[in-house]
Amino acid sequence: DAKTTQPNSMESNEEEPVHLPCNHSTISGTDYIHWYRQLPSQGPEYVIHGLTSNVNNRMASLAIAEDRKSSTLILHRATLRDAAVYYCILRGYGGSQGNLIFGKGTKLSVKP
Amino acid sequence: DVKVTQSSRYLVKRTGEKVFLECVQDMDHENMFWYRQDPGLGLRLIYFSYDVKMKEKGDIPEGYSVSREKKERFSLILESASTNQTSMYLCASSHLNQRGNQPQHFGDGTRLSIL
Repeated sequence: DAKTTQPNSMESNEEEPVHLPCNHSTISGTDYIHWYRQLPSQGPEYVIHGLTSNVNNRMASLAIAEDRKSSTLILHRATLRDAAVYYCILRGYGGSQGNLIFGKGTKLSVKP
Repeated sequence: DVKVTQSSRYLVKRTGEKVFLECVQDMDHENMFWYRQDPGLGLRLIYFSYDVKMKEKGDIPEGYSVSREKKERFSLILESASTNQTSMYLCASSHLNQRGNQPQHFGDGTRLSIL
């Protein structure tokens, strides 16, 4: 699976939007972009994934650049509960069934 | 919503004991996984299973075995626990992932301490 690059940490104020960037310049044409997050003392939680088009779900939105070399996870109104480490991961066609490879991720802090 | 349930949140065992960690999922997922998570090392895959009675070694299978007798249940066994197996253990499940578009859903983890 190709490599991703994320900022180590970001800060946000409660009830403001948060844009979490991810660079993946070596992405292949069939790689899906997945986002997970991990709250303190909990297991990772799936957030969203996409291939080419922007995606929305009840948790977040995923904006994918036209060249697919970067993407942005958007939390529309941050809450204190959104404070977590966010991971951007690429998963490819025919890739292994297992082995989600989590990098260091972005630690998001949310201030009241 | 997908539910992956791990039998214990916290467990303390002694060196040399045989330890069983249980995981159950309720979404009829074909795949199930066991990872361990340690500070600075991220998630590492121990074993996974893509069907009943089928198993595949992950990156760090030594000292562990697994059992999948029913589709919804996947057990991790520490044959003879050692202190270097003190860790957070995470179970996950997913549908078959031929195209890379299947998310994995995780349990809350079991924090295992071996004394």
